[in-house]
Amino acid sequence: GAGVSQTPSNKVTEKGKYVELRCDPISGHTALYWYRQSLGQGPEFLIYFQGTGAADDSGLPNDRFFAVRPEGSVSTLKIQRTERGDSAVYLCASSPLSRGLGSPLHFGNGTRLTVT
Amino acid sequence: SQQGEEDPQALSIQEGENATMNCSYKTSINNLQWYRQNSGRGLVHLILIRSNEREKHSGRLRVTLDTSKKSSSLLITASRAADTASYFCATDGGDSWGKLQFGAGTQVVVTP
Repeated sequence: GAGVSQTPSNKVTEKGKYVELRCDPISGHTALYWYRQSLGQGPEFLIYFQGTGAADDSGLPNDRFFAVRPEGSVSTLKIQRTERGDSAVYLCASSPLSRGLGSPLHFGNGTRLTVT
Repeated sequence: SQQGEEDPQALSIQEGENATMNCSYKTSINNLQWYRQNSGRGLVHLILIRSNEREKHSGRLRVTLDTSKKSSSLLITASRAADTASYFCATDGGDSWGKLQFGAGTQVVVTP
């Protein structure tokens, strides 16, 4: 079946602009995660949704970052006033189980964001 | 912040050899997971080991967990060129229940 889909695969934007990154999780997966991965590093947790609500947004670096999942399926990560330090690969993952039940995550291929 | 630390950072071996990489972590866990990432792709889950388990196998993969030493190891036996990838350990537990924390990874190159 279809895996986690992320669009766009690449995004180049100018410093100060607004960007939206989209994630289509695996159908039926209730848990959705956003991670950020810088070159040579492991993924860094940003935010977790269980259904429509953001159950844990403790990883968002500042208030320029915001994510929504209005119908409990597709999620959008929004970054305002982008900075060069925001350049990274943004990964989305979904899971069929609630957080805490030790379920593996299914990752998309990520969106590579470059802020010039 | 990243909890797990993989060792070595990079590993180069020939096809047919075994590859071993280690992961150390700092706080108590509920489970530990290993993922593989090919260049430019997302992460693929390999194996999950719970805190009450000591060893787990999946095909050519063997994972051990020593909670007293807060460490885990991943062994890939009879490696193939297709095993070339970065390997990450991720911990789930403590006060970050369900929020996987990844290490920086081990880059494995398998040459034919």
